[in-house]
Amino acid sequence: RKEVEQDPGPFNVPEGATVAFNCTYSNSASQSFFWYRQDCRKEPKLLMSVYSSGNEDGRFTAQLNRASQYISLLIRDSKLSDSATYLCVVTQTGANNLFFGTGTRLTVIP
Amino acid sequence: GAGVSQSPRYKVAKRGQDVALRCDPISGHVSLFWYQQALGQGPEFLTYFQNEAQLDKSGLPSDRFFAERPEGSVSTLKIQRTQQEDSAVYLCASSPEPTGSGYTFGSGTRLTVV
Repeated sequence: RKEVEQDPGPFNVPEGATVAFNCTYSNSASQSFFWYRQDCRKEPKLLMSVYSSGNEDGRFTAQLNRASQYISLLIRDSKLSDSATYLCVVTQTGANNLFFGTGTRLTVIP
Repeated sequence: GAGVSQSPRYKVAKRGQDVALRCDPISGHVSLFWYQQALGQGPEFLTYFQNEAQLDKSGLPSDRFFAERPEGSVSTLKIQRTQQEDSAVYLCASSPEPTGSGYTFGSGTRLTVV
């Protein structure tokens, strides 16, 4: 069983739409949580960290539910430039590396 | 340079050939990681260095994979006797600290084994 599970999509949404991605993680000792963005043929880049209290960065809102081991990302007012793969990422106590989900591919259509 | 630099950008190897992939981390970053990303998948951890010490190599898929960072800066990932299943993008990341924040990834080396 993978450490982080995501729906791979693809999600095709019109400009201006609101879209939500979810992921689940298997290890209850998971420590830190992130969403990364990866453009086609590019490296992953940190989009935002995720906190239990929920956090917002402009049109992006991330939420963590530790009890359900569930992480979400909400994108409001989608732009064409939001088209990318969104990777759910966790760290675990005792390990230095990142654990990545498969990624969810988003295409925003004009 | 300002970022993590990887070379070559692309590598085509014949099955059975040995390859060496290079990573130049951000100057002063103590932690260096290698990840393997197969097509349509997320990156998978291979190995981790803190300075010159290889503290975790649990993700290396076989003994054909070997990594080193002899002076605590540049790192090389070597794959011996390449197989088709080794075809992937190999990503290097560095961090000023061991924790999960502050990672910077390089652009990766796309390895194709034919």
